[in-house]
Amino acid sequence: EAGVTQSPTHLIKTRGQQATLRCSPISGHTSVYWYQQALGLGLQFLLWYDEGEERNRGNFPPRFSGRQFPNYSSELNVNALELEDSALYLCASSSQVTDTQYFGPGTRLTVL
Amino acid sequence: QQQVKQSPQSLIVQKGGISIINCAYENTAFDYFPWYQQFPGKGPALLIAIRPDVSEKKEGRFTISFNKSAKQFSLHIMDSQPGDSATYFCAARVRSGAGSYQLTFGKGTKLSVIP
Repeated sequence: EAGVTQSPTHLIKTRGQQATLRCSPISGHTSVYWYQQALGLGLQFLLWYDEGEERNRGNFPPRFSGRQFPNYSSELNVNALELEDSALYLCASSSQVTDTQYFGPGTRLTVL
Repeated sequence: QQQVKQSPQSLIVQKGGISIINCAYENTAFDYFPWYQQFPGKGPALLIAIRPDVSEKKEGRFTISFNKSAKQFSLHIMDSQPGDSATYFCAARVRSGAGSYQLTFGKGTKLSVIP
């Protein structure tokens, strides 16, 4: 069974630009979670999507947004990039049966 | 109240020794406590988890000890090996108002096992 996949692996942007990160959940999983892992801060919850709807969001500004597609894959958009947005962005998926979250390898976003 | 405090930040253990990582929480609504292991360049992977009605859970060399009254739980790695060198995160789960489970993570412990 394929795990959670994320693309791209690395992304380099400059301040003020927009970044788009993508996530494909494990087959059969309907929930997708996004986390930001900045150095020394652990994993910070960003967004949760389930059945195509945004169900919950963490304490992040509105320039962090996303969506979930009918095939349950998801996209995270970060607008007006700031230097402090540089981090590893992790996607996790879960099913309603197990609700254990399984993580992808992450996208390393660097803002110059 | 949503915080999970993890210590130590880093840990160096000799091969064959016992690695101990501690976590503490305040929110009594947490109902599930997983530990994740993360190797460089990889996403976190679920290692072992415990529910608050159990005081200890063991899987191979990995044991979680849970103290409900003290609101603390810890991960013990017996006979630590160099391959265990990774960052370990404790987490706690609570059902959110939106009907899903939300994980709150500790800040991680970087474990180095030296030969």
